[in-house]
Amino acid sequence: EVQLVESGGGLVQPGGSLRLSCAASGFTFSSYDMHWVRHATGKGLEWVSAIGTAGDTYYPGSVKGRFTISRENAKNSLYLQMNSLRAEDTAVYYCARAGGTIPFDLWGRGTLVTVSS
Amino acid sequence: DIQMTQSPSSLSASVGDRVTITCRASQSISNYLNWYQQKPGKAPKLLIYVASSLQSGVPSRFSGSGSGTDFTLTISSLQPEDFATYHCQQSHSTPWTFGQGTKVEIK
Repeated sequence: EVQLVESGGGLVQPGGSLRLSCAASGFTFSSYDMHWVRHATGKGLEWVSAIGTAGDTYYPGSVKGRFTISRENAKNSLYLQMNSLRAEDTAVYYCARAGGTIPFDLWGRGTLVTVSS
Repeated sequence: DIQMTQSPSSLSASVGDRVTITCRASQSISNYLNWYQQKPGKAPKLLIYVASSLQSGVPSRFSGSGSGTDFTLTISSLQPEDFATYHCQQSHSTPWTFGQGTKVEIK
């Protein structure tokens, strides 16, 4: 089955760190760009990071310098290392697949990150 | 950053109604505009990409149009399973950005 499954979310204190994982199956993971997108309650979706097939990475200003995206093609896995977490980082985090002109055509079910003391 | 503005933010409609949602970009994005449907507690689902291409498996009652800065998502005859929140997203340039969403509710 073609799917993405996130894990690693939880409750963390402000200033803390968390590492999210996304396990891919059913498709050739190494052939796709991969992204993280988050959704905070009551807000719009927000793109968080991307990694290309060649390992090139991209971030919006809101997380640049704090978040690091990486991939391990041999394990069909995507990661998001989140440091210096803030209350405004609280959201459901989704991993999503993209390729060519087709944007986020496959999404995981999401993992909840709560930043609170 | 390119700002995406959707209107309306919510609407009430009945089964069978024709529904139109608009999305405006703060600068030209050619046709790099995508639409997603999201139901409560679920991941978004891709409906339309590059403004007017229907994603595989999506019913033909969904259609998209527009180019440059102004785009439209149309549901020709609203079905019970279409009550959800709809998001537009630009893939013209990073950072990829989304609209704030349009919630379609039952009238």
